[in-house]
Amino acid sequence: QVQLVQSGAEVKKPGASVKVSCKASGYTFPTYSINWVRQAPGQGLEWMGWISADHGNTNYAQKFQGRVTMTVDTSTNTTYMELRSLRSDDTAVYYCTRGLAWLDYWGQGTLVTVS
Amino acid sequence: EIVLTQSPVTLSLSPGQRVTLSCRASQSVRSGDLAWYQQTPGQAPRLLIYGASKRAAGTPDRFSGSGTGTDFTLTISRLEPQDFAVYYCLQSDGSPRKLSFGGGTKVDMK
Repeated sequence: QVQLVQSGAEVKKPGASVKVSCKASGYTFPTYSINWVRQAPGQGLEWMGWISADHGNTNYAQKFQGRVTMTVDTSTNTTYMELRSLRSDDTAVYYCTRGLAWLDYWGQGTLVTVS
Repeated sequence: EIVLTQSPVTLSLSPGQRVTLSCRASQSVRSGDLAWYQQTPGQAPRLLIYGASKRAAGTPDRFSGSGTGTDFTLTISRLEPQDFAVYYCLQSDGSPRKLSFGGGTKVDMK
């Protein structure tokens, strides 16, 4: 079965960086892009960007341009999302999710706390 | 950038009632690129509807999606206790693709 398994919770100081991983299994990895979506406490869903799992092409939401980097390791079917210059309002659950026109499978989420 | 506006923000209803949720786009969205999600507390979102009207695997048939252009609707024919949740619409547009979510509608129990 399709699974996206994310790394564990992180606590970071303001100004630091965080790197969250997402390991995929149960499907042909290069076939689907991986998106990253975040959700601040009590708030809605916010799309951050996507990376193509075959060639590593990326497209980031304008809000995160210059502060986010998404990478892929095809040898381990793992994608990574690094967010830099963290602020308190980056405190959120970060999800990886598969797809491009719609997002069908989601990771369990990674809580990143900036404090 | 396409902005999605969902209404109402909150609905207070009873089990068995019919629910209609709205998602309005700031510009036309291709029907194939509109999806609906359900999220319960502490859980990741779950895909309910894709392509505006196609039920995802495992979505009960009491859920239906419709709409074209800038106006889309998610209908729950008869609310079940497990349907009390937050619902989001999602659109995907452009080349390269950019995605955006609506602000969500919370369906809670009266």
